[in-house]
Amino acid sequence: DIQMTQSPSVLSASVGDRVTLSCKASQNINKNLDWYQQKLGEAPKLLIYFTNNLQTGIPSRFSGSGSGTDYTLTISSLQPEDVATYFCFQYNSGNTFGAGTKLELK
Amino acid sequence: QVTLKESGPGMLQPSKTLSLTCSFSGFSLSTSGMVVSWIRQPSGKSLEWLAAIDWDGDKYYNPSLKSRLTVSKNTSNTQVFLKITSVDIADTATYYCARSSGYSSSFDYWGQGVMVTVSS
Repeated sequence: DIQMTQSPSVLSASVGDRVTLSCKASQNINKNLDWYQQKLGEAPKLLIYFTNNLQTGIPSRFSGSGSGTDYTLTISSLQPEDVATYFCFQYNSGNTFGAGTKLELK
Repeated sequence: QVTLKESGPGMLQPSKTLSLTCSFSGFSLSTSGMVVSWIRQPSGKSLEWLAAIDWDGDKYYNPSLKSRLTVSKNTSNTQVFLKITSVDIADTATYYCARSSGYSSSFDYWGQGVMVTVSS
C-alpha cells in the first residue's frame, strides 16, 4: 500500500502569506495526485488534479507541483476563506488520502 | 447541475449490515468514463476510499475492506448503493459518495455526506 504523509499537520499563517503544504508518497506515484480542500462541516472540494491542474472555478492563487514522491500545494496569497483542512490523494496504485494539513489564520 | 445525496440509517447496532444509497442527478452513470465512489471520514480524521462502480458496471474495492463491501447500482443508473456487513464501532463515520468523470480518478462532485453511528 502507498502511504501519503502530509506536513505540517497544522499550519498557522497570516492573510497575504505565501503558504506551502507538502505531501510525500511512500513510493513514486507518477504525478497521480490530487488536492482537496475541506472546510468545517462541508464535503471535500477538488482543487488540483494530476499534480498541477487547477479545477474549474478554483482561484488562481492555488497551484500544485511535484513529481516522483514529493508534491506541494501552494497558496500564493492566503485569504480568510482558505481556512480549511487540505488533503492530498494518490491514485497511482490503489486510492489513498493523506492525513491532512489544517490551515489556520495567525 | 450535478448533485449527489447520500442516505442511510443514521444509527445501527454492531454486527448488522449497513446499507447506504447515493442518489444523483445531472449525469448518467451509463455515460462512458463515469464512476461513483464511496468515501468515508470518521469525525476529526482523514478520508478513506471504500469502493467504486463505473459506467460499465465494473466494481472496485478497498482491499482492506473488500470482504465486507458490496457496491451496486440501479438499472436506471441514477443510484449507487453500498452495503457493509458486520459493522462495528470503527465504522462510525460520515459517508460520502463522489463522482469521477471523463475517465479521471479525481472526485469532481461530492454529496453532502451522511453520518452513520454504530452503537449498541
